[in-house]
Amino acid sequence: GDSVTQMEGPVTLSEEAFLTINCTYTATGYPSLFWYVQYPGEGLQLLLKATKADDKGSNKGFEATYRKETTSFHLEKGSVQVSDSAVYFCALTRPSGTYKYIFGTGTRLKVLA
Amino acid sequence: DTAVSQTPKYLVTQMGNDKSIKCEQNLGHDTMYWYKQDSKKFLKIMFSYNNKELIINETVPNRFSPKSPDKAHLNLHINSLELGDSAVYFCASQANPFPDTQYFGPGTRLTVL
Repeated sequence: GDSVTQMEGPVTLSEEAFLTINCTYTATGYPSLFWYVQYPGEGLQLLLKATKADDKGSNKGFEATYRKETTSFHLEKGSVQVSDSAVYFCALTRPSGTYKYIFGTGTRLKVLA
Repeated sequence: DTAVSQTPKYLVTQMGNDKSIKCEQNLGHDTMYWYKQDSKKFLKIMFSYNNKELIINETVPNRFSPKSPDKAHLNLHINSLELGDSAVYFCASQANPFPDTQYFGPGTRLTVL
């Protein structure tokens, strides 16, 4: 079945450091890929998405590129801030069918001042 | 205005009790979901409704019963609460056509004593 694998956290960085959170997926066909972010005490919110191979999603300085050949959708940011501290979820869904999203296990990011 | 709202935000109750969580969305979306998030932040889909019709029913104890009186509301009733039901429950909604961004509510933290 479809699945999403994320790197284990927590990831702890100093402010202005470079961030990479790895995400790989297993799915047949061409799923859509998402990154969601959950700030403390809140629900998840969409950070960025990509719906086809080689698409790059970007938002708030975060980027991720849909790599079909490596089945990956790694999240990157050039310079993190304390306010980026949150839990990040990679997710996929099929373009049709069951209306079901598959979420990764989440990666907690802590950014220290 | 809050796009997806849940009530209550916190729920503390004794084992064996029956409780309900309510969800409302004012986005005009056709599809709504219930997720359970455990203490390790793992997010598990429980149910989904599309236009008041149940379309996803994961392996969830039948003590959990969703109800959708109209497409803007999706409630979750839980009978005979158990310690293992303690978690944060998130409601989410999504527009059609699928796939699209999911909008999450703020969550309901359920604690069973």
